[in-house]
Amino acid sequence: AQSVTQLDSQVPVFEEAPVELRCNYSSSVSVYLFWYVQYPNQGLQLLLKYLSGSTLVESINGFEAEFNKSQTSFHLRKPSVHISDTAEYFCAVSADDYKLSFGAGTTVTVRA
Amino acid sequence: EAGVAQSPRYKIIEKRQSVAFWCNPISGHATLYWYQQILGQGPKLLIQFQNNGVVDDSQLPKDRFSAERLKGVDSTLKIQPAKLEDSAVYLCASSQGGEAYEQYFGPGTRLTVT
Repeated sequence: AQSVTQLDSQVPVFEEAPVELRCNYSSSVSVYLFWYVQYPNQGLQLLLKYLSGSTLVESINGFEAEFNKSQTSFHLRKPSVHISDTAEYFCAVSADDYKLSFGAGTTVTVRA
Repeated sequence: EAGVAQSPRYKIIEKRQSVAFWCNPISGHATLYWYQQILGQGPKLLIQFQNNGVVDDSQLPKDRFSAERLKGVDSTLKIQPAKLEDSAVYLCASSQGGEAYEQYFGPGTRLTVT
């Protein structure tokens, strides 16, 4: 079975500042890794995913995450955040069974 | 393309009452999931369907929860009788399966049990 630990439950950040959300996973098999975002009163949306290949993956809105197998991590970063990035972010892991195991989430609050 | 639809969006019931949630996945998606998201926690998988067959229901409290997916399309999740600890957001997701891996989520149903 796989599990995910998100190390920060709340991250306040000023607009245009960088942000990093930390995610560590545990698994005895090869995994696939995901970041989902949940805006207020909306469903979860896939932000980015790592399935194979390059360990650095990017989203269309400026987020990136790096898969680090030796440290079993998949941290999410953005060099400059906007007010609209205020949301809850979930890290998730899956093996070959197509089931997702989610972390507890990190709430990002961007302030002007 | 239309996304995953869920109804109702909100439901308030008293403990020991029954409730049902409905989900319509994205057209053509073979796999359907129901998750429970308790406040302050990540979503937890309750049941996974592949077409109209159950793939995994190991986390479904079967003494009070039931789910079905007739004709491999729409799905309903039922709780009977509800307990206070069932207060949560119930999320439905669907995916194409195969190598796609991406799950598409509906807006969820927020259940409050009083």
